[in-house]
Amino acid sequence: DAGVTQSPTHLIKTRGQHVTLRCSPISGHKSVSWYQQVLGQGPQFIFQYYEKEERGRGNFPDRFSARQFPNYSSELNVNALLLGDSALYLCASSLDPGARSYEQYFGPGTRLTVT
Amino acid sequence: KQEVTQIPAALSVPEGENLVLNCSFTDSAIYNLQWFRQDPGKGLTSLLLIQSSQREQTSGRLNASLDKSSGRSTLYIAASQPGDSATYLCAVKGQKLVFGQGTRLTINP
Repeated sequence: DAGVTQSPTHLIKTRGQHVTLRCSPISGHKSVSWYQQVLGQGPQFIFQYYEKEERGRGNFPDRFSARQFPNYSSELNVNALLLGDSALYLCASSLDPGARSYEQYFGPGTRLTVT
Repeated sequence: KQEVTQIPAALSVPEGENLVLNCSFTDSAIYNLQWFRQDPGKGLTSLLLIQSSQREQTSGRLNASLDKSSGRSTLYIAASQPGDSATYLCAVKGQKLVFGQGTRLTINP
């Protein structure tokens, strides 16, 4: 079975531009979470979606938004890019965020560079 | 606010040694704790998941323990190999998944 997939792998954008990152969860998983990992740090939680509804939001500005589609894939959008948005963006999927097991499976990430 | 700390930040040991990585967290109200491995520039690979009601989990040469009351977890790696070189992250699940900053491990042949 395919794991979590993310596209694109790498992306270079200019300050002020907009970016869309995509994620497809493991088949059967209905929850998708997004994380930002700045170099040398642990991942920081951005959003969680379950059954197309937002279930949680981290401490990120409104320039960050996301949505989940009927097939459970997800997009993360970042507007008005800043140099500080340069990071590895990770997507994770799980069966149900309310389940106690709640094991998350991570994709390979999208490396975003803002110049 | 949950805070997760991993010590040491970096560790370098010769091949064959047994080693312990440490993780501490400030809020004991967690559902579970997960250990991950991350190779440079790559995503996260889940190694072990310990439920809050469990004390330890084992997978091959890896053993993770959890002491929720003291807010500590350890990852024990037996008979280390150069292929174990990576960054190891722990994460605790409360309202959300909160990560430590990781321990960068280098195993020298």
